[in-house]
Amino acid sequence: QEQLVQSGAEVKKPGASVRVSCAASGYMFTGYYIHWVRQAPGQGLEWMGWTNPYTGGTFYAQKFQGRVTMTRDKSITTAYMELARLRSDDTAVYYCVRDGKALAGNIGFDIWGRGTMVTVSS
Amino acid sequence: DIVLTQSPDSLAVSLGERATITCKSSQSVLNGANSKNYLAWYQQKQGQPPKLFIYWASTRESGVPDRFSGSVSGTDFTLTISSLQPEDVAVYYCQQYYGLPVTFGQGTRLEIK
Repeated sequence: QEQLVQSGAEVKKPGASVRVSCAASGYMFTGYYIHWVRQAPGQGLEWMGWTNPYTGGTFYAQKFQGRVTMTRDKSITTAYMELARLRSDDTAVYYCVRDGKALAGNIGFDIWGRGTMVTVSS
Repeated sequence: DIVLTQSPDSLAVSLGERATITCKSSQSVLNGANSKNYLAWYQQKQGQPPKLFIYWASTRESGVPDRFSGSVSGTDFTLTISSLQPEDVAVYYCQQYYGLPVTFGQGTRLEIK
C-alpha cells in the first residue's frame, strides 16, 4: 500500500543538526511533492516546506530558511529533511507528508508518515 | 500569509448530537483554474498523525463516514459532524494549500459531553 516510513527518534544537543528520512513505497515517488510538517508537544501543526522528488526543487517556509535542507534520493525513493543549529524549541514530532492530487487538482496532504520525535536537550 | 482562525478552541458535544467547527480564512483560497477551494480538514487522534478527512472544502476523503461534511460561504468554512460518535473524539485542523506558506488553523479539540 501507499506509505511513508520515517526514521526513528533522535536526541540532539543544542547547536547540532538532525536528519530525518522518509521512505516512500506503493506509489510513484517522483509524481508527488513531499512536504514536512512539525508539531511541538501539545501544540498545533507547522509547515516547514516541500521538495519536488522529480526535480529536487525545494521551497522552505521563511522561518526555516538558512537552517533547513530538504533533499531526496530517487534511486531509493527516500526524502530527507535536515535541520541545523538545533534549539530547544525545535523539539517536536516531524512528519513527512505526500501532497495528494486528483484529476481536478491538489487535495491536500493525503499520506502522512508516523512521525519522528526529535528532542533537543543539553 | 493566509491566516486560518478556528472556533471554538474546544468543544464538548453529547453522543448523537451535532458538532460544528468553523474556520475563517484571512483571504480567498479559491483556485480560479478549477473553481475549487483549497481548504482541507484533518482529524488527529492522540498519539497519531493527522488524517485527511475533507478536501476542496466539502469532498470527503475515501473511507470517511458520511456523518462528516464540509461547507463554505465565501472565506468561512465549516466542518459538521451530524451525529457524534465515540470514535470522533480528536483534534480537528483546517488547512489551506492555496498559497505558500501552507498554513493550518490552531486546532479544535472535540470531546464527549
